[in-house]
Amino acid sequence: AQSVTQLGSHVSVSEGALVLLRCNYSSSVPPYLFWYVQYPNQGLQLLLKYTSAATLVKGINGFEAEFKKSETSFHLTKPSAHMSDAAEYFCAVSEGGGNKLTFGTGTQLKVEL
Amino acid sequence: GAVVSQHPSRVICKSGTSVKIECRSLDFQATTMFWYRQFPKQSLMLMATSNEGSKATYEQGVEKDKFLINHASLTLSTLTVTSAHPEDSSFYICSARDRGSTYEQYFGPGTRLTVT
Repeated sequence: AQSVTQLGSHVSVSEGALVLLRCNYSSSVPPYLFWYVQYPNQGLQLLLKYTSAATLVKGINGFEAEFKKSETSFHLTKPSAHMSDAAEYFCAVSEGGGNKLTFGTGTQLKVEL
Repeated sequence: GAVVSQHPSRVICKSGTSVKIECRSLDFQATTMFWYRQFPKQSLMLMATSNEGSKATYEQGVEKDKFLINHASLTLSTLTVTSAHPEDSSFYICSARDRGSTYEQYFGPGTRLTVT
């Protein structure tokens, strides 16, 4: 069975500071991993995905994530936070790219001046 | 490309009535569509998977007679909440998988259902 754990339901950073959102996964087969962003009352937008190619994945809006098999992690980072990054972020796993996406509980990112 | 729309974006209905939510893939063909439910401040929970031309597969604990899913074409899936009750109030999000993709899902903007 696949699962995702996002540590920290709320993260607050200053504008211009590093953003680090944590995600650990569990999967019985090689996983496909995703980060999505959700703004209030909207659907999900794909930030980036890992599909067994390069372990360092670059996404939109300056975000990137590194797949670390030994740590079963897929943390999301951005070197410099912007006010527009304030949103809810979800990590998700799909076993071998199969049908079912399992989401983490989400991390609310707050960016302060 | 890869745009998914949902209609309506918001709906308020009285307890006991039924409401239909549409999910459309606008610029691609989707053999598989997914319906999720999201409670306030919580994650998305997969309700069911629908494949074009066949019956939907429901997740454990989801009442298939209450949440009717129809995937009549490669660009349209509908979710009908029958005999709605206040506890059905939620944010419903659909996603669609491109016919040419094995894994990526594209999400709609969601529908806010309020049952009074």
